[in-house]
Amino acid sequence: GAVVSQHPSWVICKSGTSVKIECRSLDFQATTMFWYRQFPKKSLMLMATSNEGSKATYEQGVEKDKFLINHASLTLSTLTVTSAHPEDSSFYICSARDFMGWNYGYTFGSGTRLTVV
Amino acid sequence: GQQLNQSPQSMFIQEGEDVSMNCTSSSIFNTWLWYKQEPGEGPVLLIALYKAGELTSNGRLTAQFGITRKDSFLNISASIPSDVGIYFCAGASGTYKYIFGTGTRLKVLA
Repeated sequence: GAVVSQHPSWVICKSGTSVKIECRSLDFQATTMFWYRQFPKKSLMLMATSNEGSKATYEQGVEKDKFLINHASLTLSTLTVTSAHPEDSSFYICSARDFMGWNYGYTFGSGTRLTVV
Repeated sequence: GQQLNQSPQSMFIQEGEDVSMNCTSSSIFNTWLWYKQEPGEGPVLLIALYKAGELTSNGRLTAQFGITRKDSFLNISASIPSDVGIYFCAGASGTYKYIFGTGTRLKVLA
């Protein structure tokens, strides 16, 4: 089945630095990937839709200059948290849209736990 | 962001019992997905539903797409300890942008 690899699985960074998270579709091409944020014991909140070769579409309230998304190839999307602050600490998860037989499905990465100190 | 109402929020059940949870929306959806998430991991797709009234099974799991297209149900039969986790529903209408439910935290007592 479809596999989405997310890296790193966890990262600790100093306040003010930037962190890049990668999301790769390993055995399929994903023209569309999604980035979610999840707080402890909460649901997944869609941050942005990443489109290969074009600008990402951000959800209302998500700062596009803070959360930079690049989808340069059909198998890779990256999320860069710029000038990270402690309030950016969260679990970030990507998913990729894959055609599964007769309809589309969505496969998730294993997530990245970001801690900003 | 918008979320779907999912109930119950959490439940403790005895091993071997059946479990039911549901998800409701104020909007009509064309697709419902059910996921399970374990601590520190991303969600894993359990069942996908594409038509109103559709009933689909995956092992001990059965999910239904409500005929009003505003709700969906997930049932787990004969629960086992490894069923522990958080179950999320997700719905989409027209576009491929999914909205996630608030989650049901399941704990199974052996």
